[in-house]
Amino acid sequence: AQKVTQAQTEISVVEKEDVTLDCVYETRDTTYYLFWYKQPPSGELVFLIRRNSFDEQNEISGRYSWNFQKSTSSFNFTITASQVVDSAVYFCALSMVGYGQNFVFGPGTRLSVLP
Amino acid sequence: AAGVIQSPRHLIKEKRETATLKCYPIPRHDTVYWYQQGPGQDPQFLISFYEKMQSDKGSIPDRFSAQQFSDYHSELNMSSLELGDSALYFCASSFSGTASSPLHFGNGTRLTVT
Repeated sequence: AQKVTQAQTEISVVEKEDVTLDCVYETRDTTYYLFWYKQPPSGELVFLIRRNSFDEQNEISGRYSWNFQKSTSSFNFTITASQVVDSAVYFCALSMVGYGQNFVFGPGTRLSVLP
Repeated sequence: AAGVIQSPRHLIKEKRETATLKCYPIPRHDTVYWYQQGPGQDPQFLISFYEKMQSDKGSIPDRFSAQQFSDYHSELNMSSLELGDSALYFCASSFSGTASSPLHFGNGTRLTVT
């Protein structure tokens, strides 16, 4: 069965600090997709990134970067020079095929960036 | 770019009443998903539709039903509401129903049952 673990329930940092959100996944499939979503206090779910299992290249988008390591089944998310607007709950998710029952969210990490 | 549109944004109902949530997917997206997110929880999959046919079913109560119409919009109908149905309900859409296309969520409908 597939599973996503986000061991950090809550993280607090001071503005301008770097912060890494951990995500560890379990699946027996060789083809799968990993995702990160952001849920700010207003409640919407914002898509951040999707990565397939065959692409282990790290990705950087502005202050955001993602480190995908199949050897450790991890897909960690780093925010550089955090800002107050980064305060949100961040969900890591895993899909084998599609988005129904095969789409599994992690429990989320609540990030608070203090001014 | 156009996003997933959900209405209403907020809804307050009393126990045993009915509620209808609407979802308009991103243009050209043919698959719609409904999720329920309780307080402090991650989103839980309820049901999905691909090309107007139910494609997958999760933990949707029998009191709930949904459908996708010819214009691809979807409605989630909830009857005999219970206090425990209070949650944030998300609609999401994708193209082709596979993970090769990203899944985009609407802003959600916050349902409060009193």
